[in-house]
Amino acid sequence: DIQMTQSPSSVSASVGDRVTITCRASHGISSWLVWYQQKPGKAPKRLIYAASSLQSGVPSRFSGSGSGTDFTLTISSLQPEDFATYYCQQANSFPYTFGQGTKLEIK
Amino acid sequence: EVQLVQSGAEVKKPGESLKVSCKGSGFSFNSFTSSWIGWVRQMPGKGLEWVGIIYPGDSDTRYNPSFQGQVTISADKSITTAYLQWGSLKASDTAMYYCATTRLAAASRAYGMDVWGQGTTVTVSS
Repeated sequence: DIQMTQSPSSVSASVGDRVTITCRASHGISSWLVWYQQKPGKAPKRLIYAASSLQSGVPSRFSGSGSGTDFTLTISSLQPEDFATYYCQQANSFPYTFGQGTKLEIK
Repeated sequence: EVQLVQSGAEVKKPGESLKVSCKGSGFSFNSFTSSWIGWVRQMPGKGLEWVGIIYPGDSDTRYNPSFQGQVTISADKSITTAYLQWGSLKASDTAMYYCATTRLAAASRAYGMDVWGQGTTVTVSS
């Protein structure tokens, strides 16, 4: 199985800050990487697919990059509604595996 | 509006069986049968775990080896519904379970899980 490692596990930031979350795959996955946002008590929401394609309706302050084994999710200017937990998932081969999550908290 | 509606919360005892459902609404018959439906587990306070996936069109099913033999994924395309079932529940099955559509690009490669159900809470306790 491909292991996905996110960093950091948690981050504190302020509204307006730029935040970057990284995700590393144990084997190359080309661009088959997905980012999700999950708020407490809610189902996850897809933000980015194919490493850098923005889901329709997702604000453009979210962006994704990377290929192979190293990927990043960037939020260019944090808004209050962005405080949540973020997960990466490799969708290159079964079983699709998730990173352990990054909790983004208000500073 | 395309959505997945999951069955309600369940409280069960260890050793009991359970089948939870995930019904597609707003899908045409063809779009449901041509979408893969995946299941994800989230244990209390923990992260997301991919359980497995089914293609309702022909019931092709793939499991995470960690869940193989512990759960069964099935689908009834005639009623646009997918299922996740347990033959003998354990306390460690206590979790929230989500279903979600997954569009495959080619072979096993996919664009992730886009339409999600609201989740079904399963509590297993004696």
